[in-house]
Amino acid sequence: ELKVEQNPLFLSMQEGKNYTIYCNYSTTSDRLYWYRQDPGKSLESLFVLLSNGAVKQEGRLMASLDTKARLSTLHITAAVHDLSATYFCAVVFWPSRSNDYKLSFGAGTTVTVRA
Amino acid sequence: DSGVTQTPKHLITATGQRVTLRCSPRSGDLSVYWYQQSLDQGLQFLIHYYNGEERAKGNILERFSAQQFPDLHSELNLSSLELGDSALYFCASSISGGAIDTQYFGPGTRLTVL
Repeated sequence: ELKVEQNPLFLSMQEGKNYTIYCNYSTTSDRLYWYRQDPGKSLESLFVLLSNGAVKQEGRLMASLDTKARLSTLHITAAVHDLSATYFCAVVFWPSRSNDYKLSFGAGTTVTVRA
Repeated sequence: DSGVTQTPKHLITATGQRVTLRCSPRSGDLSVYWYQQSLDQGLQFLIHYYNGEERAKGNILERFSAQQFPDLHSELNLSSLELGDSALYFCASSISGGAIDTQYFGPGTRLTVL
């Protein structure tokens, strides 16, 4: 069974500072997603990481994937209030040599940015 | 607005009943995914359809079933409902079927089972 662990689960950020959210997973995979969810809202796709060493950036967010370490990081640069949300990672893996895949989510990291 | 629509927004029903949730993907998208979000179990992937065919199956209970129609809209059928089925159900759509591209999420259906 694929296990996905995010930490921290809660993160209080100060505006202007840098922070990192970690996503560890238990099985070989080279497909990882990051999502954002605002309170009471649906999910929004942030990044799709498709290979070892993949790095993607959008505004103050940068995501990277290290498949050997089974680790993805979501780095937040100079946090601002608008980044307050819950962030989820999700990992895709193929349990056998078939096209059928499994997808598991982390528990989410709830981010609050304070002045 | 992602372009993905879901109906109904809210649904309140009783245990043992059956409900159908509907999802219309963005124009041009061939894949539809279904997810469940609850306080107890977090976010779970249920099932993925691509161009009418089941592409991948996640933690979908046997009491649940889904299909994608020729016009590409999808329905998720939940039967013999239990209290634990109360959750938010999201669908998402994407262009391809390979679990590699960006997904666009609908606003969700909140199901309450009493």
